[in-house]
Amino acid sequence: KAGVTQTPRYLIKTRGQQVTLSCSPISGHRSVSWYQQTPGQGLQFLFEYFSETQRNKGNFPGRFSGRQFSNSRSEMNVSTLELGDSALYLCASSVDGLSYEQYFGPGTRLTVT
Amino acid sequence: AQRVTQPEKLLSVFKGAPVELKCNYSYSGSPELFWYVQYSRQRLQLLLRHISRESIKGFTADLNKGETSFHLKKPFAQEEDSAMYYCALGVNTGRRALTFGSGTRLQVQP
Repeated sequence: KAGVTQTPRYLIKTRGQQVTLSCSPISGHRSVSWYQQTPGQGLQFLFEYFSETQRNKGNFPGRFSGRQFSNSRSEMNVSTLELGDSALYLCASSVDGLSYEQYFGPGTRLTVT
Repeated sequence: AQRVTQPEKLLSVFKGAPVELKCNYSYSGSPELFWYVQYSRQRLQLLLRHISRESIKGFTADLNKGETSFHLKKPFAQEEDSAMYYCALGVNTGRRALTFGSGTRLQVQP
């Protein structure tokens, strides 16, 4: 099976703009989670979607949002970008969300200038 | 709240030496614990999980509930083991998310 894919791989935006990142899970996986990875904070959970519903959310401001489509593909959106949003955004999928075993994509490197 | 601590940012050993990457967690219930590895320019990938008690690439990890630890061990390090290692914790709080430690970079020198 193909692994988790994320697009784009690299993105440069300026402060105040918004951005949308995309994630395609492994075929058959219905749960998609998003994480932010930074040198200072490490890997932090953003949110998790299952069957088009957000089930869990981390401690991030409302500027961070997401959605999941009927084919399990997911997007996350960050509005009004801040310099501190520069990070590697990782998407992970799991079969049904009942297991903590997750499979990660390569990430999208977002740089905010 | 649950927490994962990996006290060493960097662990440098010589090839053939034993390796132990430390991981401690804080959670009073029944956790699920994982080790993830990230090789240079590769994605984060699952190395092993405590419930399967398996050995992957020579690595093992035993859950010690008394000490709340899940240390990763390998008797003889190889140069290809050089990577970033993350310990991760899953807890049944209705929130299906992993809590990651800050990671330990393992450098295996020839």
